[in-house]
Amino acid sequence: KAGVTQTPRYLIKTRGQQVTLSCSPISGHRSVSWYQQTPGQGLQFLFEYFSETQRNKGNFPGRFSGRQFSNSRSEMNVSTLELGDSALYLCASSSGQGASGANVLTFGAGSRLTVL
Amino acid sequence: SQQGEEDPQALSIQEGENATMNCSYKTSINNLQWYRQNSGRGLVHLILIRSNEREKHSGRLRVTLDTSKKSSSLLITASRAADTASYFCATDGTSGTYKYIFGTGTRLKVLA
Repeated sequence: KAGVTQTPRYLIKTRGQQVTLSCSPISGHRSVSWYQQTPGQGLQFLFEYFSETQRNKGNFPGRFSGRQFSNSRSEMNVSTLELGDSALYLCASSSGQGASGANVLTFGAGSRLTVL
Repeated sequence: SQQGEEDPQALSIQEGENATMNCSYKTSINNLQWYRQNSGRGLVHLILIRSNEREKHSGRLRVTLDTSKKSSSLLITASRAADTASYFCATDGTSGTYKYIFGTGTRLKVLA
């Protein structure tokens, strides 16, 4: 079956702009999580959606937002971009059910954002 | 703050040698997972160990978990050049959430 698809793979923006990233999970997966990966901070949890509801949120400013659609596809948006937002944004899907921590995450290849 | 911290941060070994990476975490967990990331790509799940398990094997991988020390180790035996990647541990942090916290990763380089 198809894996997790993230688009776009690469993008360049300038400070102050906004960006929307898309993630299509594995068919049947209802949970989508987003992570920001930078060399200095490693993988930082942004948020997790399950059946169109945000179930968990990380410690990021309100400029970072997301949503999930009825088909489980998810988007994340970053407004008023800052240089520090340059990162690899990773999306991961899972069934989202069962015992906490027992869900295996399947990651997409990521969207690499460069802010100039 | 990071739930998981791996050490060493970087490791360089010869093909055929064993590689050991360690992960420490801060709070109680239900499960701990290990993932691999090839340069600039998405992460791939390797193995999951539950909090009531002490050791688990999968092919050339051996994972141990010591909940009293809040630590885990990943051993890769007979390393190959293809094992060159970054390795991360991930925990669920607080019971009842689906918020996975990843460690800082160990960069493994296997020299042919």
